[in-house]
Amino acid sequence: DTGVSQDPRHKITKRGQNVTFRCDPISEHNRLYWYRQTLGQGPEFLTYFQNEAQLEKSRLLSDRFSAERPKGSFSTLEIQRTEQGDSAMYLCATRNNSGNTIYFGEGSWLTVV
Amino acid sequence: DAKTTQPPSMDCAEGRAANLPCNHSTISGNEYVYWYRQIHSQGPQYIIHGLKNNETNEMASLIITEDRKSSTLILPHATLRDTAVYYCIVRGHGGATNKLIFGTGTLLAVQP
Repeated sequence: DTGVSQDPRHKITKRGQNVTFRCDPISEHNRLYWYRQTLGQGPEFLTYFQNEAQLEKSRLLSDRFSAERPKGSFSTLEIQRTEQGDSAMYLCATRNNSGNTIYFGEGSWLTVV
Repeated sequence: DAKTTQPPSMDCAEGRAANLPCNHSTISGNEYVYWYRQIHSQGPQYIIHGLKNNETNEMASLIITEDRKSSTLILPHATLRDTAVYYCIVRGHGGATNKLIFGTGTLLAVQP
């Protein structure tokens, strides 16, 4: 257990529904990353926050995806109008200002049926 | 795109050393070599990282060639629980994002 907490761990939703994932970082880790991972592939970068500021977004983050980190602590990743291609594991990772090591949570599995 | 090349899979006998190679011929002078592993259905786990000197911790050893174009992760006494996908990643420090860019890694299967 790295201390990065993700919720829910598993979510099954019908196509077209909205889903939201939450990430609670390690205490005092002000830098937060979201990744997506599909079967057989390595994790792919989605977006990066430093405190509450979203400083980088991947082209993978379509307009149906939105991430927030309102108070610079926990973060949410929302997917609107889900599609079957959104089925994946969504990973959150964090690090602090002085450290370079990035720690991952256990991930949130999404299945769109 | 990932800047590293790894074999897609390797086998190792339980109790023996597992030596996982990685090529990173385009590595820059200020980029570090990181290793993570991912056990099935879990998030990636940090193992070790290094710049140019060999590194050792409680999990593994990292051997980086003098020209820094390749490295080897060594698990000294592999156990069945070390079966996982191992990712070798080149990453800079000190920038804004410093995100990890993953390839497809090496699936290490430890055999009893």
